[in-house]
Amino acid sequence: RKEVEQDPGPFNVPEGATVAFNCTYSNSASQSFFWYRQDCRKEPKLLMSVYSSGNEDGRFTAQLNRASQYISLLIRDSKLSDSATYLCVVNNFNKFYFGSGTKLNVKP
Amino acid sequence: DTGVSQDPRHKITKRGQNVTFRCDPISEHNRLYWYRQTLGQGPEFLTYFQNEAQLEKSRLLSDRFSAERPKGSFSTLEIQRTEQGDSAMYLCASSLAGTAGGPSNEQFFGPGTRLTVL
Repeated sequence: RKEVEQDPGPFNVPEGATVAFNCTYSNSASQSFFWYRQDCRKEPKLLMSVYSSGNEDGRFTAQLNRASQYISLLIRDSKLSDSATYLCVVNNFNKFYFGSGTKLNVKP
Repeated sequence: DTGVSQDPRHKITKRGQNVTFRCDPISEHNRLYWYRQTLGQGPEFLTYFQNEAQLEKSRLLSDRFSAERPKGSFSTLEIQRTEQGDSAMYLCASSLAGTAGGPSNEQFFGPGTRLTVL
């Protein structure tokens, strides 16, 4: 079983839409959680950390459910520039495990 | 530029040749990670260093792969006797250890070295 599982998509949404991505992880002892964004042929860049209480950064909201071992990312009012692959990342004792990514296409 | 840098950005080699990649982390970061990424997949952990000590190696890292970080600053990743299956993007990332060497903080990635083995 993979450490981190994500729906690969693609999610094709119009500008202005709200879209949600989910991710599950297998190790209940995982210590910290992140969402990274990766543009085509570029390196991953941190979008946001994910905290147990949930956290928001502008149009982006991240949630963590430790009981269900589930992480989510919600993007409101999608912009064309949000088109990218979103990687769910889990830290297990300083080893970072990445999901395969969920591809988002925002269309005019 | 004070970010993570990697050299070379692209490497094309013939099967059986040895290649070496270099990573320069953010200067105050004590942790350095190597990953491999293939098309359609997320980065896969290969190994990581805290300062000059190599603390963990993935089972993906066969004995043809070796990594060093001799002075706790830059790191090198060497692949001996390259195979076509080694073709991938090799990413380096750095981070600061948390308090008391605890969980790592966020990682910052370099632009990667794209390896093509012919």
